[in-house]
Amino acid sequence: KAGVTQTPRYLIKTRGQQVTLSCSPISGHRSVSWYQQTPGQGLQFLFEYFSETQRNKGNFPGRFSGRQFSNSRSEMNVSTLELGDSALYLCASSRLAWAYNEQFFGPGTRLTVL
Amino acid sequence: EDQVTQSPEALRLQEGESSSLNCSYTVSGLRGLFWYRQDPGKGPEFLFTLYSAGEEKEKERLKATLTKKESFLHITAPKPEDSATYLCAVQLYGGATNKLIFGTGTLLAVQP
Repeated sequence: KAGVTQTPRYLIKTRGQQVTLSCSPISGHRSVSWYQQTPGQGLQFLFEYFSETQRNKGNFPGRFSGRQFSNSRSEMNVSTLELGDSALYLCASSRLAWAYNEQFFGPGTRLTVL
Repeated sequence: EDQVTQSPEALRLQEGESSSLNCSYTVSGLRGLFWYRQDPGKGPEFLFTLYSAGEEKEKERLKATLTKKESFLHITAPKPEDSATYLCAVQLYGGATNKLIFGTGTLLAVQP
């Protein structure tokens, strides 16, 4: 059974640009959650999508947005990038919404903002 | 303010030297507490869920316990392969927004 995949694995952008990250969940999983991980703040919850609807949202500015497609694949977009957005972005999938005890994480996308 | 704090930040053990990691929390309403393990370059891997004070879960050399204010991850006779960052997270009640808050983790190094 294939795991959660994230593309790209590494990304370098400059301030002011925007970026789109992609996450393909495990087959049969309908929930996808996104997280930001930095050395200073640790792992922070961004948002969760289930059946194409945002079900949960963390405390991030509106520059961070996401969506989910009918095949459960999800994308996360960050507009007007800032230096502080440099981080490892992780997605996790589960069968059900809010099922954090059943989440499987992907390897992450390492975003560097110059 | 809802907060999760893990201690110590880093821990170095000799193989076979048992110890405990701490996760303390001050939250408005606890729905569940989770422990994860994260290896370098990888996403976190789920270990345990605890829901109520007094609950305990075990898996191989790991045992997680929960009180009303904190959780412990006990590591018995650790091996070098137990080296990783251990994260705890709490899920809060909050109507439609079941917030998930992570601690910053404990970096465990087990030396042979």
